[in-house]
Amino acid sequence: AQSVTQLDSQVPVFEEAPVELRCNYSSSVSVYLFWYVQYPNQGLQLLLKYLSGSTLVKGINGFEAEFNKSQTSFHLRKPSVHISDTAEYFCAVTLTGGGNKLTFGTGTQLKVEL
Amino acid sequence: DAGVTQSPTHLIKTRGQHVTLRCSPISGHKSVSWYQQVLGQGPQFIFQYYEKEERGRGNFPDRFSARQFPNYSSELNVNALLLGDSALYLCASQGAGLRGYTFGSGTRLTVV
Repeated sequence: AQSVTQLDSQVPVFEEAPVELRCNYSSSVSVYLFWYVQYPNQGLQLLLKYLSGSTLVKGINGFEAEFNKSQTSFHLRKPSVHISDTAEYFCAVTLTGGGNKLTFGTGTQLKVEL
Repeated sequence: DAGVTQSPTHLIKTRGQHVTLRCSPISGHKSVSWYQQVLGQGPQFIFQYYEKEERGRGNFPDRFSARQFPNYSSELNVNALLLGDSALYLCASQGAGLRGYTFGSGTRLTVV
């Protein structure tokens, strides 16, 4: 079975600073990887996904992530954060082939401060 | 196009009661999945339906059940509610290829 570890439960950062949210996964077979953002009292919004191809994936709101198969990681980065990026971020994994369940990490709370 | 719609948005139930949550997928999407998100945790998979057939079930008790209708909308039913069932219940729909998941805004269930 696959699993996801988000190493940081909270990440405080000043506005306009860069940020990296870490995600490691475990799976014995190939996977698809996702990052979702959740604002307070809302559902999940897809930031980006890796299905195949280029290991550097660009998403919405200036976020990007790099798939590293050897390190089984899919870290999320943004070069300059804004106050509006304050939210909970979830990394998720699913088996390739489609139609499989998503397994989520426990989330990272990104708090952007002035 | 409308996204994934869930109803109700909030509800409060008493222990032991029954609840039905509803989800309408994006038009043309034939797969619906349900997730439970307890406060402070990541979503946990409950069920997946595709073309009205159950395709997967998570580690939840038999008090949880679901179904999918001919129009691909879905219901999640929970019987004999416990305090621990209090959570945000999320519905996700998948389109062709089943490789993307679009989530609704969720139903916040509070059991008192």
